[in-house]
Amino acid sequence: DAGVIQSPRHEVTEMGQEVTLRCKPISGHDYLFWYRQTMMRGLELLIYFNNNVPIDDSGMPEDRFSAKMPNASFSTLKIQPSEPRDSAVYFCASSPLTSQETQYFGPGTRLLVL
Amino acid sequence: KQEVTQIPAALSVPEGENLVLNCSFTDSAIYNLQWFRQDPGKGLTSLLLIQSSQREQTSGRLNASLDKSSGRSTLYIAASQPGDSATYLCAVSGYSGNTPLVFGKGTRLSVIA
Repeated sequence: DAGVIQSPRHEVTEMGQEVTLRCKPISGHDYLFWYRQTMMRGLELLIYFNNNVPIDDSGMPEDRFSAKMPNASFSTLKIQPSEPRDSAVYFCASSPLTSQETQYFGPGTRLLVL
Repeated sequence: KQEVTQIPAALSVPEGENLVLNCSFTDSAIYNLQWFRQDPGKGLTSLLLIQSSQREQTSGRLNASLDKSSGRSTLYIAASQPGDSATYLCAVSGYSGNTPLVFGKGTRLSVIA
């Protein structure tokens, strides 16, 4: 398996623009997580899904952020409108149903909002 | 709310030295604890996962211990090498292994040749 795939790897945009981040989890994994990493706050959960259903979105900063998982092999995280404080690295991770295994992380999307 | 703290924030050691990274967490009701490695500009690689019922896990030159009652874990790296230079992150999960991870801010390790 290719692991968790994220696109784009880098994104530079201007304030006010819409940004869409994409994630393809490992095939067969039932859980998908979106995390954000900043220097100030470290890695924090934004939202996670189980079998395509959002379970906990309490980490989503505000209404400008939305996430969807239309099927088991694809998820998006959208920011609209983007702001400079959204600049961070966004990671997607997936894990199988068995809770004995770790979460597998993608390479991340480095977002810079000017 | 679970909080994870890692000390020190940065560490520089000469090659060959044994070293210990520390992690503490405020809520002892964890399901498991994991240590990850993150190289600059890269994602996270899982190094060791310790279930709450276990005391330690070993992989090669790495040994992680867990004292759940005191809310502490250590990552021991033996005979450090320049290739070990990276940021090491500690993370805990809640009531099951599939709950979100709560991360510390990491220890940035530099091993000098």
